[in-house]
Amino acid sequence: DTAVSQTPKYLVTQMGNDKSIKCEQNLGHDTMYWYKQDSKKFLKIMFSYNNKELIINETVPNRFSPKSPDKAHLNLHINSLELGDSAVYFCASSEAYYGYTFGSGTRLTVV
Amino acid sequence: DQQVKQNSPSLSVQEGRISILNCDYTNSMFDYFLWYKKYPAEGPTFLISISSIKDKNEDGRFTVFLNKSAKHLSLHIVPSQPGDSAVYFCAASGGSQGNLIFGKGTKLSVKP
Repeated sequence: DTAVSQTPKYLVTQMGNDKSIKCEQNLGHDTMYWYKQDSKKFLKIMFSYNNKELIINETVPNRFSPKSPDKAHLNLHINSLELGDSAVYFCASSEAYYGYTFGSGTRLTVV
Repeated sequence: DQQVKQNSPSLSVQEGRISILNCDYTNSMFDYFLWYKKYPAEGPTFLISISSIKDKNEDGRFTVFLNKSAKHLSLHIVPSQPGDSAVYFCAASGGSQGNLIFGKGTKLSVKP
């Protein structure tokens, strides 16, 4: 039973499309995150939600919009996809800032 | 501006020998440090951590050392095994950073 699950695992789409990545955690954690691992391999925080409330919103284009319908889910919607959005996106959850559990990632390729 | 730096992108070690992965940080407000391990096509998994009040933490074959004055930490794996081959990320948190800041990762290859 996967603790943090993301879907889809792979996503190939054309420029200009809108797509969503879903994330669910069954750990009962209060905080969920989206991280982006780009071609330079950095894992960078994008968003953090605590109990459905946005607490961190790093400098990302406003084409990226997180949605948390409940504390077990944090979805990422991306509008007007660009080539530079190609990356691996990781969802994570934690009870405290040091106990992160990551999903297996979604590899997004924009063509 | 990289607050957490892993300057070695890769490291190759013979099975049974020691692997030493290094990490430097710039933010003196960091008070908690972690190492994550990542296999291909999987998410990072927590390996070991250390609080800034300690200078060493050991868990089986894995030991993390923290040198606060040098803003440096290292992960030692003894003895190294082929299954340890993965990318290792150093991460830090604390101060105004409510989230984990990751380094770029070091790819460890342990050869039989």
